Amino acid sequence: KNQVEQSPQSLIILEGKNCTLQCNYTVSPFSNLRWYKQDTGRGPVSLTIMTFSENTKSNGRYTATLDADTKQSSLHITASQLSDSASYICVVSAKSGGGADGLTFGKGTHLIIQP
Amino acid sequence: GAVVSQHPSRVICKSGTSVKIECRSLDFQATTMFWYRQFPKQSLMLMATSNEGSKATYEQGVEKDKFLINHASLTLSTLTVTSAHPEDSSFYICSARWTGRGGNQPQHFGDGTRLSIL
Repeated sequence: KNQVEQSPQSLIILEGKNCTLQCNYTVSPFSNLRWYKQDTGRGPVSLTIMTFSENTKSNGRYTATLDADTKQSSLHITASQLSDSASYICVVSAKSGGGADGLTFGKGTHLIIQP
Repeated sequence: GAVVSQHPSRVICKSGTSVKIECRSLDFQATTMFWYRQFPKQSLMLMATSNEGSKATYEQGVEKDKFLINHASLTLSTLTVTSAHPEDSSFYICSARWTGRGGNQPQHFGDGTRLSIL
């Protein structure tokens, strides 16, 4: 069964600090992996997308890594800001498609940035 | 680009009422739209997939007579929760994408609808 596990479930850090969120998956055959940011009461917004051959991708202060061998990804946030407070969702797509284009969603990491 | 608008953002109504939620792709033609449900601190759960002009495909466990989906045009899909009850209270999110020469494009999400049934 395709699964996406994220850790930690929640995280509180001080403004200006860095943090790293983890995502482990068992989706097969792998197509791509996306990180989304979901503000409270809003829909998810895409941050990064990586295919099998990509092992790092940046979007401003967000840097995602992918190790397709160990089926792990991380999202590193640098110099956190109060506006970074949100849930961060890891979504893995399977090549074979199926429901929702074969997307498997993680439960997300709830990040709180404190001043 | 690729903006998906969902309306209304919040609905509070009495038990037994039917509620319609609209999902519009504002700047692209959405060949496929998806409807998700999300409970607090849980991941998005796919309810159904709809292709323009076709009947929606529902996920296992989702009652098609309870959650009516219409995708009559390339820019609009609606989800109607019929005879809503308190257990239907949830956050409903739609997404939309188009299919180009490169295959299926990424899904773009609406901002969700918070449904509260009293």
